[in-house]
Amino acid sequence: DIQMTQSPSFLSASVGDRVTINCKASQNINKYLDWYQQKHGEAPKLLIYNTNNLQTGIPSRFSGSGSGTDYTLTISSLQPEDVATYFCLQHSSRYTFGAGTKLELK
Amino acid sequence: EVQLVESGGGLVQPGRSLKLSCVASGFTFSNYGMNWIRQAPGKGLEWVAYISSGSSYIYYAETVKGRFTISRDNAKNTLYLQMTSLRSEDTALYYCARPLYYYSSYGFAYWGQGTLVTVSS
Repeated sequence: DIQMTQSPSFLSASVGDRVTINCKASQNINKYLDWYQQKHGEAPKLLIYNTNNLQTGIPSRFSGSGSGTDYTLTISSLQPEDVATYFCLQHSSRYTFGAGTKLELK
Repeated sequence: EVQLVESGGGLVQPGRSLKLSCVASGFTFSNYGMNWIRQAPGKGLEWVAYISSGSSYIYYAETVKGRFTISRDNAKNTLYLQMTSLRSEDTALYYCARPLYYYSSYGFAYWGQGTLVTVSS
């Protein structure tokens, strides 16, 4: 099974900051990686699929990059509504979620 | 509008069974593979099972293989998860989720609100 190591687990940042969240796969996942945002009490929301494809309706301040085993979600300018937990998901072989990154405002 | 509505959750004793349902609307259900994903209270997300559009391909997480059965009734636009030999670690909010495109197995763009399963004596 493919393991996903997500970091950091917790992140505190200020409005306007550039924020990066990382996921490392235990083997090459060939860019088969999605990013999800989950706000408290809500179902997860798809942000980015296949590493760098922005889902319709998602603000352009969100972007994804990576290849091989290493992937990054970037928020270019943090907004208050971005407070949430973020998860990566590999779908190269079955599915494995990262453990999540809880993002809070400083 | 795409809608997924789960039901069937509840309090169940360890070792017993429970069957979850997910009724889909707003799209051609029979064209899409579907998934069950769960989230233990205060924890992360765990993919549970996948079924292809015509039920030809079915996959399970190792943690539920042999105990859970995913199925679907395309005539009723309904996805199911039959859970047996339930354990305390199966306690979670269970979501059904649909991929972005009919031809893809990725990008869970649509989620239900979830149904809570609590396994406790």
